[in-house]
Amino acid sequence: GAVVSQHPSRVICKSGTSVKIECRSLDFQATTMFWYRQFPKQSLMLMATSNEGSKATYEQGVEKDKFLINHASLTLSTLTVTSAHPEDSSFYICSAPTGTSGGALSTDTQYFGPGTRLTVL
Amino acid sequence: AQSVSQHNHHVILSEAASLELGCNYSYGGTVNLFWYVQYPGQHLQLLLKYFSGDPLVKGIKGFEAEFIKSKFSFNLRKPSVQWSDTAEYFCAVNAYGATNKLIFGTGTLLAVQP
Repeated sequence: GAVVSQHPSRVICKSGTSVKIECRSLDFQATTMFWYRQFPKQSLMLMATSNEGSKATYEQGVEKDKFLINHASLTLSTLTVTSAHPEDSSFYICSAPTGTSGGALSTDTQYFGPGTRLTVL
Repeated sequence: AQSVSQHNHHVILSEAASLELGCNYSYGGTVNLFWYVQYPGQHLQLLLKYFSGDPLVKGIKGFEAEFIKSKFSFNLRKPSVQWSDTAEYFCAVNAYGATNKLIFGTGTLLAVQP
């Protein structure tokens, strides 16, 4: 099956620094990728939709200047947490849909990355 | 707005017991429905999905789910669980059409005791 990777798997940073998380589709192309955030014992909350060649679409309540998303190519999306604070500590997961539509249809299967554990001290 | 609710947050079963995890969604239109599983230390994997057709859907590892439109439900079942089924299970929905944004339920942590 399709594989999505994330790097790094864990990161610890000081408050006020920025952290970049990469999401790659290893064996398929994805014009769309999704970024989720998962708090302990809670579900995945969709943060934003990353669109190759255009601006990301953010969910209500997500600060776009705080969580910068860049979809640099058909296989890479990055999430940068700017000026991170302890409340940004969380598990960040990306997903990428596959299918002949390039991920445009709701019936495309989504594949998830292994997640990145961010701890802000 | 769409929402998904999973009523069982934590389920403990003995091996060979039957499993049913509840999932209800809130959305007025046509939806696609999914169950994902997250084994300890691993990423989310698709168990099964429903798009249309037969409301009883069979997935991997002996799991199945039944879509009952009138109840807005998509419950997950397995007749006989194994210790290896210990994992967290997430129900998810997206609106049929051009968007493939997934809305997840809160998850159910299943612990199977040998």
